[in-house]
Amino acid sequence: GENVEQHPSTLSVQEGDSAVIKCTYSDSASNYFPWYKQELGKRPQLIIDIRSNVGEKKDQRIAVTLNKTAKHFSLHITETQPEDSAVYFCAASWTNAGKSTFGDGTTLTVKP
Amino acid sequence: DAGVIQSPRHEVTEMGQEVTLRCKPISGHDYLFWYRQTMMRGLELLIYFNNNVPIDDSGMPEDRFSAKMPNASFSTLKIQPSEPRDSAVYFCASSLHPNTEAFFGQGTRLTVV
Repeated sequence: GENVEQHPSTLSVQEGDSAVIKCTYSDSASNYFPWYKQELGKRPQLIIDIRSNVGEKKDQRIAVTLNKTAKHFSLHITETQPEDSAVYFCAASWTNAGKSTFGDGTTLTVKP
Repeated sequence: DAGVIQSPRHEVTEMGQEVTLRCKPISGHDYLFWYRQTMMRGLELLIYFNNNVPIDDSGMPEDRFSAKMPNASFSTLKIQPSEPRDSAVYFCASSLHPNTEAFFGQGTRLTVV
């Protein structure tokens, strides 16, 4: 089955700096890669996703890049703010899988 | 739509008791997922349904866990008998299709003492 590895497990940045979280996946059939943000005590919520026919996607301060050849994808957050502090999960799935395989999560702390 | 609705929000029970967690998915969503989240093991998929049919229950830890989806608007996750190591936050999520956004419920925080 699919295996998703996520790094780093914790990340601390100063407000205004950029943050990058990386994930690798094992199943070359995977073609959907969502990112979820989970604030303390809250539910995970989708912040951005990318499909395999696209190499990069951007939404304001967040962007995701995908390298299908290397089987890795990354989340980039620019101009970080304290409210970006949360746990971020990457995931991977393929069309007929029905389910996504999640990474172990990255705890991002943005220091004011 | 009110989103995915789970009940109860919190549950405290004694070891050996039966626990039933409930979930109402978003109307029209064909997929329903049950996850367990702990500090040690992260977010684990326990089981998921497509059109009310269980598709993959390989994540269910042991026979003490069972899940049902009697209709498109309701699912239950039952633990019998419960054990302290079952203490976790249990999330239900639903999605319209495979490879689309999963919408999570608020979760049920289960504590088994």
